[in-house]
Amino acid sequence: GQQLNQSPQSMFIQEGEDVSMNCTSSSIFNTWLWYKQDPGEGPVLLIALYKAGELTSNGRLTAQFGITRKDSFLNISASIPSDVGIYFCAGRETSGSRLTFGEGTQLTVNP
Amino acid sequence: NAGVTQTPKFRVLKTGQSMTLLCAQDMNHEYMYWYRQDPGMGLRLIHYSVGEGTTAKGEVPDGYNVSRLKKQNFLLGLESAAPSQTSVYFCASSYDPRRGNTIYFGEGSWLTVV
Repeated sequence: GQQLNQSPQSMFIQEGEDVSMNCTSSSIFNTWLWYKQDPGEGPVLLIALYKAGELTSNGRLTAQFGITRKDSFLNISASIPSDVGIYFCAGRETSGSRLTFGEGTQLTVNP
Repeated sequence: NAGVTQTPKFRVLKTGQSMTLLCAQDMNHEYMYWYRQDPGMGLRLIHYSVGEGTTAKGEVPDGYNVSRLKKQNFLLGLESAAPSQTSVYFCASSYDPRRGNTIYFGEGSWLTVV
């Protein structure tokens, strides 16, 4: 099956710093999604990308759908303590109804 | 997580026992999914359904069964629980993910098999 590699696995940063994480796939996707999961909660959608090259922002978050359609990036600017959590990328192949998830990036923000 | 409800939220089972997790959504969604989440492995799809009366296998279906008798409910069953099934289980639903509709997740069900 397809592989989705997410990196880094964990990040420890100071409040105010910018954060970048990415996902790469062995398959071409037509949709990339980025989720955040807080402890004890289900994943919540942050940004959805539907077109190669698309760059979309949601507040301090910016995500891009790679031109090759095999990768995506999420950036968080000026991090704050409430950004702490696990961030997941997810991708969907053309006409597919199933999502494949990355392994997650655990983000810790030190005040 | 609004609209997708999972029960129970926590459960401890003995090896060999059976149980059913219930997922209910009130958004008239066609698609429903069951995932399991294990440390360092992201979310892995167990089974899914593309409509009432339909089910299909995901990545890790062994040891689980599902049913979608009503559109709003998707049940996940463990017939004979094993310690390897200790995990956090998430249900999700979507109107039509092929059209880019958002997939909504429940809050999770923590299952421990001893």
